[in-house]
Amino acid sequence: SQQGEEDPQALSIQEGENATMNCSYKTSINNLQWYRQNSGRGLVHLILIRSNEREKHSGRLRVTLDTSKKSSSLLITASRAADTASYFCATVRTYTDKLIFGTGTRLQVFP
Amino acid sequence: EAQVTQNPRYLITVTGKKLTVTCSQNMNHEYMSWYRQDPGLGLRQIYYSMNVEVTDKGDVPEGYKVSRKEKRNFPLILESPSPNQTSLYFCASRRTSGGPNTGELFFGEGSRLTVL
Repeated sequence: SQQGEEDPQALSIQEGENATMNCSYKTSINNLQWYRQNSGRGLVHLILIRSNEREKHSGRLRVTLDTSKKSSSLLITASRAADTASYFCATVRTYTDKLIFGTGTRLQVFP
Repeated sequence: EAQVTQNPRYLITVTGKKLTVTCSQNMNHEYMSWYRQDPGLGLRQIYYSMNVEVTDKGDVPEGYKVSRKEKRNFPLILESPSPNQTSLYFCASRRTSGGPNTGELFFGEGSRLTVL
């Protein structure tokens, strides 16, 4: 069964705008990861945030984690057309080694 | 260059004709895994391997077999493919040294399989 659910399922914005994607999950976790997938290609790891962390940055990416609400958000600032892709959150449940993926958010950035 | 290599990238086959999708990684990763991706269902794990000669079922193992005879290779075998196995398949690997949950998966480019 899917652990993470992303919201929205699809998002369209203009270049230069910020894009925010949310992920909710059901059980306690060790860490949460975000991946990016260009159409039909392999997934690429973006960022990992551990359960004891609340916020993490990597370039134009900002990830937050709220374990009390079992949710995370991925913010992409100053979006570019090249950011067009699907974004997936994935969680590692506590006491397991299993990474479970959500169904993804499709982001379209128009030039 | 660190990479996970899958072959074939595209395959059209017929029901019942055995096929193997190969996966090889050059990062000396202990952990390897196979996923299938279907519209609306996200990525679902088929099988995984924690190390050589150690494999275990994921969420959707029916109709698939795997083996891990060498650390770098983790082939996915469809003994008798059926149309419901038409999907996009991904192999992935990561290290496990330092304990579990140590982080990012490295993915191959995918193998698109059509079973007629």
